[in-house]
Amino acid sequence: GEDVEQSLFLSVREGDSSVINCTYTDSSSTYLYWYKQEPGAGLQLLTYIFSNMDMKQDQRLTVLLNKKDKHLSLRIADTQTGDSAIYFCAERESNYQLIWGAGTKLIIKP
Amino acid sequence: NAGVTQTPKFRVLKTGQSMTLLCAQDMNHEYMYWYRQDPGMGLRLIHYSVGEGTTAKGEVPDGYNVSRLKKQNFLLGLESAAPSQTSVYFCASSYPPPEQYFGPGTRLTVT
Repeated sequence: GEDVEQSLFLSVREGDSSVINCTYTDSSSTYLYWYKQEPGAGLQLLTYIFSNMDMKQDQRLTVLLNKKDKHLSLRIADTQTGDSAIYFCAERESNYQLIWGAGTKLIIKP
Repeated sequence: NAGVTQTPKFRVLKTGQSMTLLCAQDMNHEYMYWYRQDPGMGLRLIHYSVGEGTTAKGEVPDGYNVSRLKKQNFLLGLESAAPSQTSVYFCASSYPPPEQYFGPGTRLTVT
């Protein structure tokens, strides 16, 4: 079946950039997503990118998509303590189903 | 708008007991979903609905039932709870895809 993989942890210093990586297997994916989950909360959609795009930027967030390598990344500029969370990558398999990565826990060091 | 709400937030069940989790959305979304989240794993789709009166199985439907009698509500039932169903359950809704909006989750422990 289709699969989405992410590293489980990323540690960065406050003020640095964070880059969270994700690989996926379904080359026919139309949308790829980044969700954020803060402790004890539900998932919040951060951004998504359509498969015909290479890059999408939204304030401190930059999403890069390399379709050839099936690689998606999320860059957070000037990382703050409020960015501490688990970040999930997901690909859209159908109208109704997303395939989810296991999540990357972003740890911010002062 | 409250968005997506879930009731209850926490629950402890004994093996064999039954319960129903309620999800409500006020965004007039057609599609609704139930997921479970387990440590070190992504979300797994249990059941989903593409409209009032319809339901369909997702990736891990065994041991669960659902109903969508009203467009704004999606119920998840556990008829005979098992320890393997200890998890955090999330409801989501969308109209149309691609975006899904999530509720705050229900933490269920089965002893």
